[in-house]
Amino acid sequence: AQKITQTQPGMFVQEKEAVTLDCTYDTSDPSYGLFWYKQPSSGEMIFLIYQGSYDQQNATEGRYSLNFQKARKSANLVISASQLGDSAMYFCAMREGNFGNEKLTFGTGTRLTIIP
Amino acid sequence: GAGVSQSPRYKVAKRGQDVALRCDPISGHVSLFWYQQALGQGPEFLTYFQNEAQLDKSGLPSDRFFAERPEGSVSTLKIQRTQQEDSAVYLCASSLVASGSYNEQFFGPGTRLTVL
Repeated sequence: AQKITQTQPGMFVQEKEAVTLDCTYDTSDPSYGLFWYKQPSSGEMIFLIYQGSYDQQNATEGRYSLNFQKARKSANLVISASQLGDSAMYFCAMREGNFGNEKLTFGTGTRLTIIP
Repeated sequence: GAGVSQSPRYKVAKRGQDVALRCDPISGHVSLFWYQQALGQGPEFLTYFQNEAQLDKSGLPSDRFFAERPEGSVSTLKIQRTQQEDSAVYLCASSLVASGSYNEQFFGPGTRLTVL
C-alpha cells in the first residue's frame, strides 16, 4: 500500500479563490509527522507546513492551513486567497516514528495552476 | 544565510561513466539526506547521515550508489557505471537537529543527471 496518496495529479484554480489539495496517508505508527512542500519550476522544495500526529489543533501558516482528520488519515492542504505565485507542484510527505527514523516519504504530488 | 547548495546543477554522463554529486548543507546542520526524484514523481529517500555517520542507506538502489560525509559537513553521492535508469534529479536536504518529531528538512536546488 502507498504510504502517501495524492489523488489529484493536476488542479486549475481561479486567482483569489481557495483551493484544497488532498493527501491521505497510511501508517501503523502512533507517532508521525506530516509535511507539505511546494516545488516551483526552479526545482527547489520549499517547506510550507507541518502537522504532528499528537497535535490537538490544525496547523496554520499564513495563507496555508492543514485540515488534519486523524481518524480518516487525511491531511489536506488548504491555500486561501490563491495567488499566481502559488502555481507549482505540491507534495505531501510523512515521517514515521519519533526518533531514529528521519526520512520523509513523499506522495506523487499535485500540479496546481492558478488562472488569472 | 546561505541555504543548501548542490553542484553541479546539471550533469550529462555517458552510460558506464562514474559521476560525483556534491552537497553543501546549511552550516551547523547535523542531519543530511539524499533523495532521488524521477520525472513526474515525488522524491524518494536514498540515504541519511547524522554528522559523519551514515545511519540509513536503505534507499540506495544498488551497490553502484555510494554516499559519504567524511567530516560531517559536505557530502558526496557517487554513482558508478551509470545506467539510463539513473537519470533523475538528485536532491540533498539538511536539518538542524539529529532527530525529533518536528525536524524540518531544507532542500537544495538539486542536480539533474541525464545518462545517455
